[in-house]
Amino acid sequence: DIQMTQSPSSLSASVGDRVTITCRASQSITSYLNWYQQKPGKAPKLLIYAASSLQSGVPSRFSGSGSGTDFTLTISSLQPEDFATYYCQQSYSAPWTFGQGTKVEIK
Amino acid sequence: QVTLRESGPALVKPTQTLTLTCTFSGFSLSTNGMCVSWIRQPPGKALEWLARIDWDDDKYYSTSLKTRLTISKDTSKNQVVLTMTNMDPVDTATYYCARMTTGNWFDPWGQGTLVTVSS
Repeated sequence: DIQMTQSPSSLSASVGDRVTITCRASQSITSYLNWYQQKPGKAPKLLIYAASSLQSGVPSRFSGSGSGTDFTLTISSLQPEDFATYYCQQSYSAPWTFGQGTKVEIK
Repeated sequence: QVTLRESGPALVKPTQTLTLTCTFSGFSLSTNGMCVSWIRQPPGKALEWLARIDWDDDKYYSTSLKTRLTISKDTSKNQVVLTMTNMDPVDTATYYCARMTTGNWFDPWGQGTLVTVSS
């Protein structure tokens, strides 16, 4: 199975901050990497697919980059509604695996 | 509009078999490229993919859980059923179903159903 490792596990940031979350795969997954946002008590929501494609309806302050084994999710200017947990997921091969999550909290 | 909804028991006893149903609308599992997956999330923990069934009836399972899982579909009812045998308290989690297409990402998700395993 491909292991996905996110860092950091949690971070504190202020509204307006630029936030970067990293995801590393245990082997090359080319660009088969997706990002999700999950708010408490809610189902995850797809933000970014294929490493850098923005899902319809997702604000442009979210962006994704990377290929191979190293990927990043960037929020250019953190908004109050962005405080949530973020997960990466590899779609390169079954079994599809997630990172352990990064919780973005209010500073 | 694509929607999915999970249903099943909220409480099961250890060693029992769990049966969950995902009822969906807005797409057909007889359409080429359509798939439905199950994912779970123990309280306060990360997401774990469990199983997937494809339009052509191909099936995929979690490596660690494959001996306990069975996924099936009823295309006429727009339903996917997941069974998990020999339930244990560590299987307490919110269970989600989600659509997958050829890109192998999960979108959208159902609201999830919390299953507690306790005697």
